[in-house]
Amino acid sequence: EDQVTQSPEALRLQEGESSSLNCSYTVSGLRGLFWYRQDPGKGPEFLFTLYSAGEEKEKERLKATLTKKESFLHITAPKPEDSATYLCAVQAGKGSWGKLQFGAGTQVVVTP
Amino acid sequence: DAGVIQSPRHEVTEMGQEVTLRCKPISGHDYLFWYRQTMMRGLELLIYFNNNVPIDDSGMPEDRFSAKMPNASFSTLKIQPSEPRDSAVYFCASSTPYGTGGSYEQYFGPGTRLTVT
Repeated sequence: EDQVTQSPEALRLQEGESSSLNCSYTVSGLRGLFWYRQDPGKGPEFLFTLYSAGEEKEKERLKATLTKKESFLHITAPKPEDSATYLCAVQAGKGSWGKLQFGAGTQVVVTP
Repeated sequence: DAGVIQSPRHEVTEMGQEVTLRCKPISGHDYLFWYRQTMMRGLELLIYFNNNVPIDDSGMPEDRFSAKMPNASFSTLKIQPSEPRDSAVYFCASSTPYGTGGSYEQYFGPGTRLTVT
């Protein structure tokens, strides 16, 4: 059975203190790995898609990387506005076009 | 574009009542998804449609739940009868393979917070 596990569950950072979030997955036939950001009371907001091991993508202070078993979301010099829950999701398997399986998320709090 | 639109934003109902949640996907998107989010189970896919046709409803918890997509710009998720354990935030999302990189990224609506008392 496909599994997506995120760690840590929660992360408290001081402004400027860089860190990384982990998303490990066990799926058959990965088609894509997605990162989303979710603010309280809102729907998830798309950040990145990664397709193959070694791929990296960046957006402002965020950088996502992918290996054959896990993905990392690096937050460099975070600001309070980076506080959110970060979700990863995988799309896998034949006949599963469009279908995503989400991890439980990492709640990030950045204090001034 | 206005993004994915959901209504109502909040719904409070009594056990046993029928609840209908509504969704308007982004124009041009041919996939539509219904999710449920709770603290205990996280974000779960309930059902998804492609070109208005249901493709996978294996996540629908039981027969009390039903979903329809009568046209490309409208979908409903109905719960009848509702139970307290149905209390959750329900999200609608849409996507297309013809977007950025063809990666099927999904765009979510603001959600409907359902409380069943």
